[in-house]
Amino acid sequence: EPEVTQTPSHQVTQMGQEVILRCVPISNHLYFYWYRQILGQKVEFLVSFYNNEISEKSEIFDDQFSVERPDGSNFTLKIRSTKLEDSAMYFCASSPGARMGQPQHFGDGTRLSIL
Amino acid sequence: EDKVVQSPLSLVVHEGDTVTLNCSYEVTNFRSLLWYKQEKKAPTFLFMLTSSGIEKKSGRLSSILDKKELFSILNITATQTGDSAVYLCAVDNYGQNFVFGPGTRLSVLP
Repeated sequence: EPEVTQTPSHQVTQMGQEVILRCVPISNHLYFYWYRQILGQKVEFLVSFYNNEISEKSEIFDDQFSVERPDGSNFTLKIRSTKLEDSAMYFCASSPGARMGQPQHFGDGTRLSIL
Repeated sequence: EDKVVQSPLSLVVHEGDTVTLNCSYEVTNFRSLLWYKQEKKAPTFLFMLTSSGIEKKSGRLSSILDKKELFSILNITATQTGDSAVYLCAVDNYGQNFVFGPGTRLSVLP
């Protein structure tokens, strides 16, 4: 069964550095998402992306964050000048079709640790 | 503000027990409610519910939605240790994202 893949599985970075988290969504999916989950807390929405542009973003997704689909397969989340509180598990998800209201399929996540 | 609440937050049972997990929601615009199972990593999709009173079933798991009372339950019968996980409830509010609840951590003891 096709799946969403994320790399790396774990990223350790010094505070203030930039990180890029990578995702390969399921190939025929059209909607892409980033969520984060701070340890012990609930899954929080960051951003959704459709047709090469951001569809919606949460308050968490400030100027420090950006997303990009640099080619036909990858979907990246960039965090500039990381802070300690950015430490979390970051999940990428995708959903199929041109119609919303369908399940999102999640990748295994990237655990980001900021030192 | 859209909100999803789950209860209990944590539950410990023995193999063979039946459990009921609860999810209630307050959202401006409701499209569907989804249940996910999260073990060590990715949330794995279980059910999507859009209509009241229609039970969705998959093996020992079943779920139903009540759109009048704004809640859903997830039942697991004859629990096994492999059912141990965090069960997440999420609501699609016609936005471009899902609103997640805090999850119920289920531990099934042998």
